[in-house]
Amino acid sequence: DAKTTQPNSMESNEEEPVHLPCNHSTISGTDYIHWYRQLPSQGPEYVIHGLTSNVNNRMASLAIAEDRKSSTLILHRATLRDAAVYYCILRDVAIYTGNQFYFGTGTSLTVIP
Amino acid sequence: EPEVTQTPSHQVTQMGQEVILRCVPISNHLYFYWYRQILGQKVEFLVSFYNNEISEKSEIFDDQFSVERPDGSNFTLKIRSTKLEDSAMYFCASREVGSYEQYFGPGTRLTVT
Repeated sequence: DAKTTQPNSMESNEEEPVHLPCNHSTISGTDYIHWYRQLPSQGPEYVIHGLTSNVNNRMASLAIAEDRKSSTLILHRATLRDAAVYYCILRDVAIYTGNQFYFGTGTSLTVIP
Repeated sequence: EPEVTQTPSHQVTQMGQEVILRCVPISNHLYFYWYRQILGQKVEFLVSFYNNEISEKSEIFDDQFSVERPDGSNFTLKIRSTKLEDSAMYFCASREVGSYEQYFGPGTRLTVT
């Protein structure tokens, strides 16, 4: 699986938007971009995923660069509950494998009240 | 909302003892996973399981580890002879066929003394 690069940590003020970047310059054409987050003392939690087009769901938006070498997770209005480690993970679309994830170190997001 | 459950939440064992960690995946999910996270480190993939057999396993998942789906609801991870370095949080996850979203349990903290 291609490697991703994320900043170690970021800070955001409560109720402001947060843009979490991820670089994946060696992404292949069949790699999906997945975002998970891990709240303190909890298991990872799905946030969003996409392939080429930008994606929105109730939790966040995913903006994918046209060349797919980078993406940005957007939290539209950060709350204290969004303080977590955010992981950007690439995974090939292989139907007949387990599709497990290989987590990196992620970005630790601090939300300031 | 359906969720993955894990028992026990905390297990303390002596080095060399066998432990079994239990997970109840979401009922209509057919892919199951075990991950572990040593304190302060990243989440690491151990094994994926589908159709009553291991799909993939990592280098960590050596002969001391085994997984089983003993009945229609439980999914277990057995460590035959625990070592100090097995101390970690162990997360179970599941997903349904056709979905990329993995649902993680709250984890079992294993402490080997």
